[in-house]
Amino acid sequence: EIVLTQSPGTLSLSPGERATLSCRASQSVSSSYLAWYQQKPGQAPRLLIYGASSRATGIPDRFSGSGSGTDFTLTISRLEPEDFAVYYCQQYGSSATFGQGTKLEIK
Amino acid sequence: QVQLQESGPGLVKPSETLSLTCAVSGYSISSGYYWGWIRQPPGKGLEWIGSIYHSGSTYYNPSLKSRVTISVDTSKNQFSLKLSSVTAADTAVYYCARLTMVTPAFDIWGQGTMVTVSS
Repeated sequence: EIVLTQSPGTLSLSPGERATLSCRASQSVSSSYLAWYQQKPGQAPRLLIYGASSRATGIPDRFSGSGSGTDFTLTISRLEPEDFAVYYCQQYGSSATFGQGTKLEIK
Repeated sequence: QVQLQESGPGLVKPSETLSLTCAVSGYSISSGYYWGWIRQPPGKGLEWIGSIYHSGSTYYNPSLKSRVTISVDTSKNQFSLKLSSVTAADTAVYYCARLTMVTPAFDIWGQGTMVTVSS
């Protein structure tokens, strides 16, 4: 099973700042199989990024994904108030696994 | 637009079988895509349970495989989850979701349903 480790566990930033979230895999993951989700309290996760770098429908361009192999990054260029949430990475090789999440909180 | 809606008992007794159904509207399951179940224990992260294709091909989380059955009913445009021999550790919000397979990701999610395992 591929284990995904996200860092940091909590990220405290202010609106307007840039956020960089990391997802590291225990073994190489095809870029096509890496996705990112946003989850707000009481809501289902929302797909942000698929194929490591492609934005899902309706996702603002301040969200971007990058990386390959075992290291992937989600970047939010300028934080808006609605971006403060928990973010998960996910891979789907022979089976699917999620990272443990990064909580993005208002500083 | 495509919508998914989970339904089933909110309370299940230990050792019994948890049964949930996901009704799909706005899209015919027979047309394609995979469909999956994901759960989230209170205050914790997401765990993939398994996925199914409209043909009935299934893929399960190895850690749950011995207890999980996912099935599809194309005539009712829904798919279902059964999890046997439940314990308190199975208490979670259960989500159903559509899974794209070219670049695998869960692109549409149900709102989730809370299931508590307790006597």
